[in-house]
Amino acid sequence: SQQGEEDPQALSIQEGENATMNCSYKTSINNLQWYRQNSGRGLVHLILIRSNEREKHSGRLRVTLDTSKKSSSLLITASRAADTASYFCATAPIGSGNTGKLIFGQGTTLQVKP
Amino acid sequence: GAVVSQHPSWVICKSGTSVKIECRSLDFQATTMFWYRQFPKQSLMLMATSNEGSKATYEQGVEKDKFLINHASLTLSTLTVTSAHPEDSSFYICSAFGGGVSSSYNEQFFGPGTRLTVL
Repeated sequence: SQQGEEDPQALSIQEGENATMNCSYKTSINNLQWYRQNSGRGLVHLILIRSNEREKHSGRLRVTLDTSKKSSSLLITASRAADTASYFCATAPIGSGNTGKLIFGQGTTLQVKP
Repeated sequence: GAVVSQHPSWVICKSGTSVKIECRSLDFQATTMFWYRQFPKQSLMLMATSNEGSKATYEQGVEKDKFLINHASLTLSTLTVTSAHPEDSSFYICSAFGGGVSSSYNEQFFGPGTRLTVL
């Protein structure tokens, strides 16, 4: 079952601008991950943040996690046309152990105009 | 990162036929493989969890007799859509987990997906 809500559902920006996507979830988690999906393709893992972390960076990506609000945000700085894709948050629920099971959010479709 | 392949990448079949989709982890042994279904402009819906050598665990609402999963080895899992109907048309994605390559806890490696169209 889906447990993540993401907003906005769609985001359109100009190249060079920053893009922020938000994700909320319902249950306690071990970690939260962000994935990217180009149209009609599989998913690519972007970044993982553990439940005891508040912020993480990877290149132009910045992820925050607020476990008290059960929410996370993904910031893409200095966006490029190639960043156009759908972005999904996925949570590893507490109790899933080392099963690898993830619950995906609804996703945000990002369009970066050149 | 680890590589996961899916075959076929797309398939068109007639209603009532069965279709088999293969998911392979190419450079690592996956202890677990997951099968997802994705409708256009929607998120991934987990269908089942497949562990090598044991029966798959299906999510609520997924018909195990319709979506047969076999995980015969640590590098291969198959999903067979039996007696396919137009409503089964969807994008099916597998992912692989484990085997020491999931450097991040619960990181999954995804196949490129299989687009199934049932006429």
